[in-house]
Amino acid sequence: NAGVTQTPKFRVLKTGQSMTLLCAQDMNHEYMYWYRQDPGMGLRLIHYSVGEGTTAKGEVPDGYNVSRLKKQNFLLGLESAAPSQTSVYFCASSSPTREWEQYFGPGTRLTVT
Amino acid sequence: ELKVEQNPLFLSMQEGKNYTIYCNYSTTSDRLYWYRQDPGKSLESLFVLLSNGAVKQEGRLMASLDTKARLSTLHITAAVHDLSATYFCAGTPMYSGGGADGLTFGKGTHLIIQP
Repeated sequence: NAGVTQTPKFRVLKTGQSMTLLCAQDMNHEYMYWYRQDPGMGLRLIHYSVGEGTTAKGEVPDGYNVSRLKKQNFLLGLESAAPSQTSVYFCASSSPTREWEQYFGPGTRLTVT
Repeated sequence: ELKVEQNPLFLSMQEGKNYTIYCNYSTTSDRLYWYRQDPGKSLESLFVLLSNGAVKQEGRLMASLDTKARLSTLHITAAVHDLSATYFCAGTPMYSGGGADGLTFGKGTHLIIQP
């Protein structure tokens, strides 16, 4: 099992450009999450999904959109990137049968210039 | 809204010493998680604490949960250099139905263990 994978691993964008980050999991988890990690801030929840076709806002959703068209995939979109979105983005998945323990992907390092 | 505070945020210690990282949270939390992160890497799950008085141990690390005090601790015994990492605690509000709505993380404790 690959667990949780993320694409791409690194990306540099110019202000105003758009991009999509892809997260995939092969553990058949219903629940998926996008977090961002900034120095000294811990991880903050952007959006999450409780199942295919459903999404919800987290703590810091502004400037991001998400979609969950397939159970195994969770996409994070930036429509018009801003320097404040420079961060490391982590995807995670979980299941109630595993005490909601979250399994994290390797992360995507995004720089917006 | 759940708030999670860790202290210290930075800790430098010598090999062989014992130390404790503290994790306080603001409202009743359903459960408490500890994660480890190495530089440039992802988060690795260490412990899941589900009830008051829960204690879990793995090697030189031991985690405990006191829900009445809203406090979890991560104790390091006879530290070794390989334990150098950033440690995060995270919780979920009691009303969130377990961890379905995601985790609230502390800012992390950057631990350096020197030979």
